[in-house]
Amino acid sequence: GEDVEQSLFLSVREGDSSVINCTYTDSSSTYLYWYKQEPGAGLQLLTYIFSNMDMKQDQRLTVLLNKKDKHLSLRIADTQTGDSAIYFCAESPSTSLKLIFGTGTRLQVFP
Amino acid sequence: NAGVTQTPKFRILKIGQSMTLQCTQDMNHNYMYWYRQDPGMGLKLIYYSVGAGITDKGEVPNGYNVSRSTTEDFPLRLELAAPSQTSVYFCASRRTGEGTDTQYFGPGTRLTVL
Repeated sequence: GEDVEQSLFLSVREGDSSVINCTYTDSSSTYLYWYKQEPGAGLQLLTYIFSNMDMKQDQRLTVLLNKKDKHLSLRIADTQTGDSAIYFCAESPSTSLKLIFGTGTRLQVFP
Repeated sequence: NAGVTQTPKFRILKIGQSMTLQCTQDMNHNYMYWYRQDPGMGLKLIYYSVGAGITDKGEVPNGYNVSRSTTEDFPLRLELAAPSQTSVYFCASRRTGEGTDTQYFGPGTRLTVL
């Protein structure tokens, strides 16, 4: 079945690293994504990883993909208060024209 | 490029009223999508389109209709508004090819049905 799971909340201190985890079910997914949603706003694409990669780094963001366990993670280094938002994981099954989104992880950064 | 634009930003409807949520993209993307996001929840797909003249149902199509007469526009129609349709509605378009597969989202329409 199609199901993307994420933990609901994460709270970190400013300056620490944040790690947001996601598990997905469709091993055919070609791309996996991380989106950020700030309060009252739409979804903004943060980064994505192609399924033949294990890791992708983009400035403070590191994406790790474990295809065997169908596990995706997003690490944010030196987390800032501006990183407080909801982060959505999404997969793109090769057999579907649709993106499957997780329920989102609310990241709260405190001083 | 303006990207994906949605109008209106906010709307309050009475039960039984109708309205059309507008969505336009200027990136010449073939694929477009409508999602709804209920409070504290993820996104649920309502309808999608793979090109002008072609639409298909998503997970939660009941109570909605769409049309796609042009590549740019993908309006979502609510015929008989119900309180269960209170939600934030997001339109998205999708760019594929050349080693990329990315969805771009509009800013959303916040709809309340009373």
